[in-house]
Amino acid sequence: TQLLEQSPQFLSIQEGENLTVYCNSSSVFSSLQWYRQEPGEGPVLLVTVVTGGEVKKLKRLTFQFGDARKDSSLHITAAQPGDTGLYLCAGRPGFNKFYFGSGTKLNVKP
Amino acid sequence: DTGVSQDPRHKITKRGQNVTFRCDPISEHNRLYWYRQTLGQGPEFLTYFQNEAQLEKSRLLSDRFSAERPKGSFSTLEIQRTEQGDSAMYLCASSLDGGAGEQYFGPGTRLTVT
Repeated sequence: TQLLEQSPQFLSIQEGENLTVYCNSSSVFSSLQWYRQEPGEGPVLLVTVVTGGEVKKLKRLTFQFGDARKDSSLHITAAQPGDTGLYLCAGRPGFNKFYFGSGTKLNVKP
Repeated sequence: DTGVSQDPRHKITKRGQNVTFRCDPISEHNRLYWYRQTLGQGPEFLTYFQNEAQLEKSRLLSDRFSAERPKGSFSTLEIQRTEQGDSAMYLCASSLDGGAGEQYFGPGTRLTVT
């Protein structure tokens, strides 16, 4: 059983569509991070959220941290083929190690 | 380039051989993490250092695995008597202690055990 559950596991959409990826847990996190990873490369940090209810925007990406700091979502508006990749969330229950979800594999077709 | 670097990027070895990977973190970062990632999964925590001290080690890490960070800068991860199940991507990340602890990852070392 993983500490963080991500859904959906796979998502294949057309360019221009919107999508939301979810990251859920029963644990409370001091901080939560979202990453994007391409095949054969290390994850690249997109955003860190630390405050319950926090919303952060990065161009067409909107990240939300749940009020209870147990869950998070990533919303992409008007997806583009360049958004294709594996999206990972990682939560830190204390101030030491992070736990990763199993990821959402996104494919945006032109 | 002042990001996290890992060497080698790819390693193919025969079962039973020993392998060693190196990670050079971002220079001012005092925390260094090692993860293992298999296909279709998220990274799994292996161990982490704060400066030269190894503060936590996962139960996933058998006695065949050892990691060091002798001077609090670069780190090495050694796997002795490799098994086919060790085939994975080994990722290194570094961060600053305190704050939200943003981790920055290296490109990884892909290990294939034949």
